[in-house]
Amino acid sequence: KAGVTQTPRYLIKTRGQQVTLSCSPISGHRSVSWYQQTPGQGLQFLFEYFSETQRNKGNFPGRFSGRQFSNSRSEMNVSTLELGDSALYLCASSLGGGGSGANVLTFGAGSRLTVL
Amino acid sequence: AQSVTQLGSHVSVSEGALVLLRCNYSSSVPPYLFWYVQYPNQGLQLLLKYTTGATLVKGINGFEAEFKKSETSFHLTKPSAHMSDAAEYFCAVSDQSGGYQKVTFGTGTKLQVIP
Repeated sequence: KAGVTQTPRYLIKTRGQQVTLSCSPISGHRSVSWYQQTPGQGLQFLFEYFSETQRNKGNFPGRFSGRQFSNSRSEMNVSTLELGDSALYLCASSLGGGGSGANVLTFGAGSRLTVL
Repeated sequence: AQSVTQLGSHVSVSEGALVLLRCNYSSSVPPYLFWYVQYPNQGLQLLLKYTTGATLVKGINGFEAEFKKSETSFHLTKPSAHMSDAAEYFCAVSDQSGGYQKVTFGTGTKLQVIP
């Protein structure tokens, strides 16, 4: 079956612009989580969506937002870009319910954002 | 609240030597535990997981990990390192607090394999 697809894979923006990243989860997965990965801060949790509702949120400013559609696809948006937003943004999907297998995460390859 | 501590942000081993990556966790309820691996310019992929049952868990590429409740540890081992094992490894814990599973990652350990 198809894996988690993230688009675009690479993008370059300038300070002050905004960006939208897309994530298509594995078919049947209802949970989508987003992470920011940088050399200095490591892997940091942004937010998680389950059945179109934000269920969990990390410690990021309001410039970072997301949403999930009825087909479980998710987008995240970063407004007013700053140099420090340059990072690899990873999306992961999972079944998302309770139980032992619910939170086995399958990651996409990531979207690498460079802010100039 | 759950948390994960990975000891050593960088570990170097010689090819053929034992690989040991350390992970300690805290959780208020019985946890599920995972190891993920990330190769350069890729996303993370699941290496192995512990949910219930046997405490020694075998994963892909010859890796295994042992859940030790008394030590709150889930260390990752491989008897003989291969050059292709060079990657970053993340330990993660998941517990069902608040009615659903939440996943918390450690800070990662970069494994260097020296020929």
